Amino acid sequence: EVQLVESGGGLVQPGGSLRLSCAASGFTFSSYGMNWVRQAPGKGLEWISYISSSSSSIHHADSVEGRFTISRDNAKNSLYLQMNSLRDEDTAVYYCARDLGSGRRNFDYWGQGTLVTVSS
Amino acid sequence: EIVLTQSPGTLSLSPGERATLSCRASQSVSSYLAWYQQKPGQAPRLLIYDASNRASGIPARFSGSGSGTDFTLTISSLVPEDFAVYYCQQRSSWPLTFGPGTKVDIK
Repeated sequence: EVQLVESGGGLVQPGGSLRLSCAASGFTFSSYGMNWVRQAPGKGLEWISYISSSSSSIHHADSVEGRFTISRDNAKNSLYLQMNSLRDEDTAVYYCARDLGSGRRNFDYWGQGTLVTVSS
Repeated sequence: EIVLTQSPGTLSLSPGERATLSCRASQSVSSYLAWYQQKPGQAPRLLIYDASNRASGIPARFSGSGSGTDFTLTISSLVPEDFAVYYCQQRSSWPLTFGPGTKVDIK
Protein backbone atom coordinates (compact mmCIF):
# COMPACT_ATOMS: atom_id res chain seq x y z
CA GLU A 1 0.00 0.00 0.00
CA VAL A 2 1.36 3.39 -0.99
CA GLN A 3 1.78 5.72 1.97
CA LEU A 4 3.04 9.27 2.21
CA VAL A 5 3.41 10.76 5.69
CA GLU A 6 4.32 14.41 6.15
CA SER A 7 5.86 15.87 9.27
CA GLY A 8 7.57 19.03 10.44
CA GLY A 9 4.73 21.52 10.36
CA GLY A 10 3.99 23.91 13.18
CA LEU A 11 3.87 27.53 14.25
CA VAL A 12 6.68 29.79 13.07
CA GLN A 13 7.19 33.54 13.13
CA PRO A 14 7.37 35.60 9.95
CA GLY A 15 10.89 35.48 8.55
CA GLY A 16 11.54 32.12 10.16
CA SER A 17 12.38 28.74 8.70
CA LEU A 18 10.91 25.28 8.76
CA ARG A 19 11.78 21.96 7.16
CA LEU A 20 9.04 19.59 6.11
CA SER A 21 9.59 15.89 5.54
CA CYS A 22 7.58 13.27 3.71
CA ALA A 23 8.23 9.60 4.39
CA ALA A 24 7.25 7.33 1.52
CA SER A 25 6.52 3.62 1.59
CA GLY A 26 4.78 0.94 -0.44
CA PHE A 27 6.37 1.82 -3.78
CA THR A 28 9.78 2.28 -5.41
CA PHE A 29 10.35 5.86 -4.30
CA SER A 30 13.41 6.34 -6.50
CA SER A 31 11.31 5.78 -9.64
CA TYR A 32 8.84 8.63 -9.16
CA GLY A 33 8.85 12.37 -9.37
CA MET A 34 7.47 14.04 -6.25
CA ASN A 35 5.73 17.28 -5.47
CA TRP A 36 4.62 19.62 -2.72
CA VAL A 37 1.15 21.11 -2.97
CA ARG A 38 -0.32 23.49 -0.42
CA GLN A 39 -3.75 24.69 0.55
CA ALA A 40 -4.34 27.84 2.56
CA PRO A 41 -7.23 27.66 5.05
CA GLY A 42 -10.53 27.66 3.16
CA LYS A 43 -8.77 28.13 -0.18
CA GLY A 44 -7.89 26.09 -3.23
CA LEU A 45 -4.87 24.00 -4.14
CA GLU A 46 -1.53 25.49 -5.13
CA TRP A 47 1.31 23.43 -6.57
CA ILE A 48 4.61 24.75 -5.25
CA SER A 49 7.49 22.37 -5.99
CA TYR A 50 8.52 19.37 -8.09
CA ILE A 51 11.59 17.16 -8.06
CA SER A 52 12.34 14.40 -10.54
CA SER A 53 13.17 10.86 -9.49
CA SER A 54 16.93 11.47 -9.70
CA SER A 55 16.80 15.10 -8.50
CA SER A 56 18.07 16.19 -11.91
CA SER A 57 15.03 18.38 -12.56
CA ILE A 58 13.52 20.80 -10.04
CA HIS A 59 10.78 23.38 -10.45
CA HIS A 60 9.26 25.83 -8.00
CA ALA A 61 6.28 28.13 -8.22
CA ASP A 62 7.14 31.82 -8.46
CA SER A 63 5.48 32.39 -5.09
CA VAL A 64 8.19 30.36 -3.33
CA GLU A 65 11.13 30.66 -5.73
CA GLY A 66 14.28 31.65 -3.87
CA ARG A 67 12.75 30.93 -0.47
CA PHE A 68 11.78 27.24 -0.61
CA THR A 69 13.97 24.33 -1.69
CA ILE A 70 12.77 20.84 -2.52
CA SER A 71 15.08 17.87 -2.11
CA ARG A 72 14.94 14.12 -1.68
CA ASP A 73 16.96 11.22 -0.31
CA ASN A 74 16.17 8.08 -2.26
CA ALA A 75 18.14 5.93 0.16
CA LYS A 76 15.82 7.06 2.94
CA ASN A 77 12.63 7.14 0.83
CA SER A 78 12.13 10.72 1.91
CA LEU A 79 11.13 14.03 0.39
CA TYR A 80 11.89 17.40 1.96
CA LEU A 81 10.88 21.02 1.70
CA GLN A 82 13.17 23.62 3.24
CA MET A 83 11.16 26.79 3.79
CA ASN A 84 13.00 30.03 4.57
CA SER A 85 11.89 33.65 4.92
CA LEU A 86 8.37 32.51 5.74
CA ARG A 87 5.50 34.94 5.27
CA ASP A 88 1.97 35.11 6.62
CA GLU A 89 0.68 34.00 3.22
CA ASP A 90 2.63 30.74 3.47
CA THR A 91 0.18 29.56 6.13
CA ALA A 92 -1.36 26.41 4.69
CA VAL A 93 -1.65 22.66 4.84
CA TYR A 94 1.29 21.24 2.92
CA TYR A 95 0.82 17.97 1.08
CA CYS A 96 3.43 15.79 -0.53
CA ALA A 97 2.11 14.11 -3.65
CA ARG A 98 3.47 11.49 -6.00
CA ASP A 99 3.62 11.90 -9.77
CA LEU A 100 1.29 9.61 -11.66
CA GLY A 101 4.28 8.38 -13.62
CA SER A 102 5.31 8.04 -17.26
CA GLY A 103 6.04 11.75 -17.36
CA ARG A 104 2.59 12.71 -16.22
CA ARG A 105 2.77 15.57 -13.72
CA ASN A 106 -0.49 14.64 -12.06
CA PHE A 107 -0.78 13.46 -8.48
CA ASP A 108 -2.10 9.99 -7.78
CA TYR A 109 -1.15 9.61 -4.12
CA TRP A 110 -1.19 12.28 -1.43
CA GLY A 111 -0.18 12.44 2.19
CA GLN A 112 -2.54 13.59 4.90
CA GLY A 113 -0.90 17.01 5.02
CA THR A 114 0.97 18.97 7.65
CA LEU A 115 -0.17 22.41 8.81
CA VAL A 116 2.25 25.32 8.72
CA THR A 117 1.14 28.46 10.51
CA VAL A 118 3.16 31.64 10.05
CA SER A 119 2.22 34.17 12.67
CA SER A 120 3.77 36.44 15.25
CA GLU B 1 1.46 30.87 -16.43
CA ILE B 2 -1.63 29.02 -17.60
CA VAL B 3 -4.71 30.18 -15.73
CA LEU B 4 -7.56 27.71 -15.26
CA THR B 5 -11.09 28.96 -14.75
CA GLN B 6 -13.82 26.69 -13.41
CA SER B 7 -17.56 27.12 -13.66
CA PRO B 8 -19.89 27.24 -11.98
CA GLY B 9 -18.44 28.11 -8.61
CA THR B 10 -21.14 26.10 -6.89
CA LEU B 11 -23.48 23.49 -8.32
CA SER B 12 -26.53 22.54 -6.27
CA LEU B 13 -27.97 19.19 -7.30
CA SER B 14 -29.86 16.24 -5.90
CA PRO B 15 -28.68 12.62 -5.70
CA GLY B 16 -29.35 10.87 -9.00
CA GLU B 17 -28.92 14.01 -11.06
CA ARG B 18 -26.21 14.59 -13.66
CA ALA B 19 -23.40 17.02 -12.85
CA THR B 20 -21.51 18.89 -15.54
CA LEU B 21 -18.44 20.86 -14.47
CA SER B 22 -16.39 23.07 -16.75
CA CYS B 23 -12.70 24.01 -16.79
CA ARG B 24 -11.29 26.53 -19.24
CA ALA B 25 -7.58 27.22 -19.81
CA SER B 26 -6.11 30.59 -20.73
CA GLN B 27 -4.15 28.86 -23.51
CA SER B 28 -4.11 25.41 -25.01
CA VAL B 29 -3.06 22.60 -22.69
CA SER B 30 -3.62 19.94 -25.36
CA SER B 31 -5.13 17.02 -23.44
CA TYR B 32 -2.96 17.50 -20.37
CA LEU B 33 -5.75 18.20 -17.94
CA ALA B 34 -6.69 16.31 -14.78
CA TRP B 35 -9.58 16.42 -12.34
CA TYR B 36 -9.49 15.89 -8.57
CA GLN B 37 -12.13 15.51 -5.90
CA GLN B 38 -11.63 16.83 -2.39
CA LYS B 39 -13.84 16.30 0.63
CA PRO B 40 -13.55 18.35 3.83
CA GLY B 41 -10.54 17.41 5.91
CA GLN B 42 -9.19 15.05 3.28
CA ALA B 43 -6.44 15.14 0.70
CA PRO B 44 -7.49 15.46 -2.93
CA ARG B 45 -8.16 12.33 -4.96
CA LEU B 46 -7.21 11.98 -8.62
CA LEU B 47 -10.25 11.20 -10.76
CA ILE B 48 -9.30 11.83 -14.38
CA TYR B 49 -5.97 12.43 -16.13
CA ASP B 50 -5.13 13.41 -19.69
CA ALA B 51 -8.65 14.80 -20.08
CA SER B 52 -10.52 11.53 -20.32
CA ASN B 53 -8.67 8.70 -18.59
CA ARG B 54 -10.12 7.49 -15.30
CA ALA B 55 -7.57 6.95 -12.58
CA SER B 56 -7.30 3.61 -10.85
CA GLY B 57 -10.38 2.67 -8.86
CA ILE B 58 -12.53 5.57 -10.06
CA PRO B 59 -16.15 4.62 -10.77
CA ALA B 60 -17.44 4.73 -14.33
CA ARG B 61 -19.98 7.44 -13.47
CA PHE B 62 -17.08 9.90 -13.66
CA SER B 63 -16.04 10.88 -17.17
CA GLY B 64 -13.94 13.63 -18.68
CA SER B 65 -13.82 15.20 -22.09
CA GLY B 66 -12.28 18.08 -23.98
CA SER B 67 -9.02 19.27 -25.47
CA GLY B 68 -7.21 22.51 -26.08
CA THR B 69 -8.81 25.06 -23.77
CA ASP B 70 -12.23 23.63 -22.87
CA PHE B 71 -12.81 20.63 -20.66
CA THR B 72 -15.74 18.98 -18.92
CA LEU B 73 -16.08 16.61 -15.99
CA THR B 74 -19.37 14.75 -15.95
CA ILE B 75 -20.81 12.75 -13.09
CA SER B 76 -23.60 10.76 -14.68
CA SER B 77 -25.72 10.16 -11.59
CA LEU B 78 -24.72 11.71 -8.28
CA VAL B 79 -24.46 9.55 -5.18
CA PRO B 80 -24.12 10.98 -1.67
CA GLU B 81 -20.34 10.58 -1.54
CA ASP B 82 -19.90 12.70 -4.70
CA PHE B 83 -20.80 15.95 -2.96
CA ALA B 84 -17.41 17.61 -2.69
CA VAL B 85 -15.14 20.20 -4.31
CA TYR B 86 -13.67 19.42 -7.72
CA TYR B 87 -10.46 20.93 -9.09
CA CYS B 88 -8.92 20.80 -12.53
CA GLN B 89 -5.13 20.86 -13.00
CA GLN B 90 -2.93 21.28 -16.07
CA ARG B 91 0.45 19.69 -16.68
CA SER B 92 1.11 21.25 -20.09
CA SER B 93 3.69 23.73 -18.83
CA TRP B 94 5.41 24.96 -15.71
CA PRO B 95 4.21 26.09 -13.29
CA LEU B 96 1.62 23.40 -12.81
CA THR B 97 -1.65 25.12 -12.00
CA PHE B 98 -5.02 24.29 -10.52
CA GLY B 99 -8.39 25.84 -11.12
CA PRO B 100 -10.20 27.52 -8.22
CA GLY B 101 -12.61 24.63 -7.79
CA THR B 102 -16.31 23.87 -8.19
CA LYS B 103 -18.29 22.90 -5.13
CA VAL B 104 -21.02 20.34 -5.74
CA ASP B 105 -23.49 20.49 -2.90
CA ILE B 106 -26.80 18.92 -2.06
CA LYS B 107 -29.85 20.81 -3.23
